[in-house]
Amino acid sequence: GENVEQHPSTLSVQEGDSAVIKCTYSDSASNYFPWYKQELGKRPQLIIDIRSNVGEKKDQRIAVTLNKTAKHFSLHITETQPEDSAVYFCAAFSRGGNNRLAFGKGNQVVVIP
Amino acid sequence: DVKVTQSSRYLVKRTGEKVFLECVQDMDHENMFWYRQDPGLGLRLIYFSYDVKMKEKGDIPEGYSVSREKKERFSLILESASTNQTSMYLCASSPAATGEHEKLFFGSGTQLSVL
Repeated sequence: GENVEQHPSTLSVQEGDSAVIKCTYSDSASNYFPWYKQELGKRPQLIIDIRSNVGEKKDQRIAVTLNKTAKHFSLHITETQPEDSAVYFCAAFSRGGNNRLAFGKGNQVVVIP
Repeated sequence: DVKVTQSSRYLVKRTGEKVFLECVQDMDHENMFWYRQDPGLGLRLIYFSYDVKMKEKGDIPEGYSVSREKKERFSLILESASTNQTSMYLCASSPAATGEHEKLFFGSGTQLSVL
């Protein structure tokens, strides 16, 4: 099945700086890549996603890039703010595999005021 | 706004007890999922269901069962709770529509402690 890995596991950034989290996946048939944000004590929520026919997608201060050849995708957060502090999960959906999302283990992002 | 409601936020049970975790969604979603979340292990899929009365094993189904008698409700059952089932349990749902079924809406979770 699909195997998704995230790194680094923890990332600390100064407020206002950029943060980048990278995920790698194993199944070349995966075609959908979402990012979920989970604030402390709250539910995971979808913040941005990308499909395999697109290389980059932006939504205000967040963006996701996809490199299908290398089988990795990244979340970029610019001008970080304290409310960006959270655990971020990446995932990959493979139609050729078991037809469900495979999640990474999560990244803790800490924005230092 | 999609609402996925889990009946309990915190639950404490004893080893050997039968435990029911309930999840209800109000958006007529066909798909429902149960995950457990443990530090350093991320989200692991226990069971899922694509329709009423249907169930599929996820990656870690051992020690669990599920029930989906109504479209809006998906129950997770621990037949005989053990201490290694102490965890945060997250329910999720998604619609069946093409291009949307991959997008999960999560509940707030149930923190289960088995003593």
